Amino acid sequence: QKEVEQDPGPLSVPEGAIVSLNCTYSNSAFQYFMWYRQYSRKGPELLMYTYSSGNKEDGRFTAQVDKSSKYISLFIRDSQPSDSATYLCAMTGGTSYGKLTFGQGTILTVHP
Amino acid sequence: ETGVTQSPTHLIKTRGQQVTLRCSSQSGHNTVSWYQQALGQGPQFIFQYYREEENGRGNFPPRFSGLQFPNYSSELNVNALELDDSALYLCASSSGGTSQETQYFGPGTRLLVL
Repeated sequence: QKEVEQDPGPLSVPEGAIVSLNCTYSNSAFQYFMWYRQYSRKGPELLMYTYSSGNKEDGRFTAQVDKSSKYISLFIRDSQPSDSATYLCAMTGGTSYGKLTFGQGTILTVHP
Repeated sequence: ETGVTQSPTHLIKTRGQQVTLRCSSQSGHNTVSWYQQALGQGPQFIFQYYREEENGRGNFPPRFSGLQFPNYSSELNVNALELDDSALYLCASSSGGTSQETQYFGPGTRLLVL
C-alpha cells in the first residue's frame, strides 16, 4: 500500500464548477501538507501549504487537512480552463521531514 | 517562475551509459532535493543535499549519486542507465533548516533511455 493515495481521475468539469481533489495517507507523522499544480511538460508549482489540521484559503483555492482521518482536500471555486493541469498532493514530517512524499496526481480538465 | 533552473531540458541515452544532470537553486536557498517522476506518476524522492552534504536518501540504488557545490548548485549522476530510468528528473530548492517543506521545483530534465 502506498503511503499517499490519490485518485488519478481524470476529472472533467465545466467552467465555473467547484472542484474537489483529495488524498489519503497512512503515515501519522506527516505534519506539512502541500498541493502542487503541474502543467503538461513543466515542473510542479507550489499552490498551497498547510501545517497540521485546519483550513487555508487563497483566492479561489481552499486547502483542508483532517489529521484524525488522515485526509486532505483541495477545493477550487469558479474553475477556469486555465486550471486544467495535474494536481499533486505532497506531505512530509517526522523522520521523513524534508523528503516530500507525493500522491499519483489527479488530471483535471475544465472545459469552456 | 521559481528561479530554479535545470539543464539539459531533454536527453537521450542508451542503456549502460552514464548521465549528469544539473540544477541551480533559487537565490538564498541552500538545500537541493532531487526527484524522479515516471510518466503518469507523482515524483519520487531520490536524495537531498544540504550545505554540500547528503541529507537523506530515498529508495534508489547507489548508481544514483549526487553532488552539491559551494554555490549550492547540484548535480545528479546516474551510472549504468537502465530502460526504467526514463523519466522526468526534477530538482527542488528550499531554504533548509526548519523550512525544508516548502520546496520550489525547476522545469525538469526529461531523460529517455533506449
